[in-house]
Amino acid sequence: QKEVEQNSGPLSVPEGAIASLNCTYSDRVSQSFFWYRQYSGKSPELIMSIYSNGDKEDGRFTAQLNKASQYVSLLIRDSQPSDSATYLCAVRGNDYKLSFGAGTTVTVRA
Amino acid sequence: EAQVTQNPRYLITVTGKKLTVTCSQNMNHEYMSWYRQDPGLGLRQIYYSMNVEVTDKGDVPEGYKVSRKEKRNFPLILESPSPNQTSLYFCASSLLRAGRTDTQYFGPGTRLTVL
Repeated sequence: QKEVEQNSGPLSVPEGAIASLNCTYSDRVSQSFFWYRQYSGKSPELIMSIYSNGDKEDGRFTAQLNKASQYVSLLIRDSQPSDSATYLCAVRGNDYKLSFGAGTTVTVRA
Repeated sequence: EAQVTQNPRYLITVTGKKLTVTCSQNMNHEYMSWYRQDPGLGLRQIYYSMNVEVTDKGDVPEGYKVSRKEKRNFPLILESPSPNQTSLYFCASSLLRAGRTDTQYFGPGTRLTVL
């Protein structure tokens, strides 16, 4: 069973600051990496997917992947109150099973 | 509208009474999956299916059954529910592209309580 660990929260950041979320995974052959956002009582929605080492930027979000260190991160720049949610890291290996971390809750203070 | 639907959204039942949670998607997705979400444990995959009549176990399949007779439907069956199956359940679907699953779309969730 793949293990996915996320930095424990909750994470509280002031509006306009950068929120940094970290995730490590145990399965070295993992191929695909995802960040989902989940608002309280709602279903997860995909924010970013990343498949190769390096950075991937999409608006205020940047995902970073380092396969050698088995590490993936998500940066949220210019954090807004609407970014307050739980962020889930998910990893897929050579099979089609997707393993999720327990999530990090982010609160953006106005 | 492209969507994944689940029914029922809320269900309270008693130990041992068989139940089915339905999941349907209208996006012609090959891949469908069931997850349960419990506080502090995140989302855990129960079963998944890569196409009609093809299903496989996820990380926590005990006590659950699934079937995939049609591409759009992927029901989750609890033959004899127990209190430890009280949880929030999500169905998800995606395309399969070049050997990888594409963006997974999640249903709205089913909150199940087993007394």
